[in-house]
Amino acid sequence: QVQLVESGGGVVRPGRSLRLSCAASGFTFGRHAMHWVRQAPGKGLEWVAGISYDGSNKDYADSVKGRFTISRDPSKNTLFLQMSSLGVEDTAIFYCARDWAAAVSGLSHFDYWGQGIMVTVSS
Amino acid sequence: QSVLTQPPSVSGAPGQRVTISCSGSSSNIGAGYDVHWYQQLPGTAPNPGTAPKLLIYRNGNRPSGVPDRFSGSKSGTSASLAISGLQAEDEADYYCQSYDSSLSGFVFGAGTRVTVL
Repeated sequence: QVQLVESGGGVVRPGRSLRLSCAASGFTFGRHAMHWVRQAPGKGLEWVAGISYDGSNKDYADSVKGRFTISRDPSKNTLFLQMSSLGVEDTAIFYCARDWAAAVSGLSHFDYWGQGIMVTVSS
Repeated sequence: QSVLTQPPSVSGAPGQRVTISCSGSSSNIGAGYDVHWYQQLPGTAPNPGTAPKLLIYRNGNRPSGVPDRFSGSKSGTSASLAISGLQAEDEADYYCQSYDSSLSGFVFGAGTRVTVL
């Protein structure tokens, strides 16, 4: 069965960096685009970033553009999110989600989700 | 302010039918982009809710395992999710999602809390 397991969260000071990982199993990782979606405490869902099946195409929400970088390692079936210049507004649960398709496009939807990992930005 | 507008809450008695609207604009739903729906079951404080689960994809399709009590539709710049034969286990937050060409990204509604009376 499809499994997505996030790791790397924690408490970090404003302005610092953090890297999240998402280990994928139970499906052919290289055939699906992947995404990060976050949820601030008590708030709704916010798409953060997406990457195509081969890593050639990456898209970001305006709120993280220039600060976050999404990447993937096909040899390890792992998705990453490198976050820098973190602010208190980045405090959220970060979910890794699989795209039903190989490309990130207007047709994308998220058919499997990880359990989420908490990132707290606080001084 | 979410790009897609959902009512904050809806409620109904067991067995009743409830609907959740998702209103967009000409740059997302009205531009022809599909609408998808997710269910997020509540957590027990202080733990957050469970991970979202895909409930309806491409406007009206149900993934395997989703009961046919759940149905979706789309028309113009809006979409809706209907839950018929409401059950206690349907108490959850429901989110619509689409793509927005002006933002060049994916957008969610703010979520609707369904309460079973």
